[in-house]
Amino acid sequence: GAVVSQHPSWVICKSGTSVKIECRSLDFQATTMFWYRQFPKQSLMLMATSNEGSKATYEQGVEKDKFLINHASLTLSTLTVTSAHPEDSSFYICSAIRDGGHDEQFFGPGTRLTVL
Amino acid sequence: AQRVTQPEKLLSVFKGAPVELKCNYSYSGSPELFWYVQYSRQRLQLLLRHISRESIKGFTADLNKGETSFHLKKPFAQEEDSAMYYCALYKGGKLIFGQGTELSVKP
Repeated sequence: GAVVSQHPSWVICKSGTSVKIECRSLDFQATTMFWYRQFPKQSLMLMATSNEGSKATYEQGVEKDKFLINHASLTLSTLTVTSAHPEDSSFYICSAIRDGGHDEQFFGPGTRLTVL
Repeated sequence: AQRVTQPEKLLSVFKGAPVELKCNYSYSGSPELFWYVQYSRQRLQLLLRHISRESIKGFTADLNKGETSFHLKKPFAQEEDSAMYYCALYKGGKLIFGQGTELSVKP
């Protein structure tokens, strides 16, 4: 149990376009999900905390208007990278906390975004 | 500010050798610490947490509040232990990750 999926697993887009990444908890409900960004063989940087039914909480330095987060249901959170630029190319990872669980985060497999 | 430091970017050992991956943290309160592992082309997964005080896959980690450390140890490394290891501090509902250490176990 406690599986988190992401779609797509990889995406290539042109500069200036928007890209949506989905994060789903497949077998549990998750009021809280997280979005991270990871550079090759480097740490995970928390971008924002996604809360079902309310606005996401962004970390300092993360542009809210550029990285739109929507958590419309207890099993789905989406991250939309708007007007993507090459510097947005990265590995985006989501995680979810099981409702009623303590604090263990279950991680998705990640989405590789390449902006040309 | 809360911070997690993993001083070694890469740690290379031979199979059967002991391994210790270092983790230091800065946090004024009572810390809750984790080790996560990411095998090649796989997702991040929890390895162990300090409150459970258990041994997973032969790994143990002891919280040393005096030295503000939470080093991960294994007496005899195996090739399948090769992976990225991340130390993380839980604070305010969020995880703060260290920079990660790549462990390479050679035959």
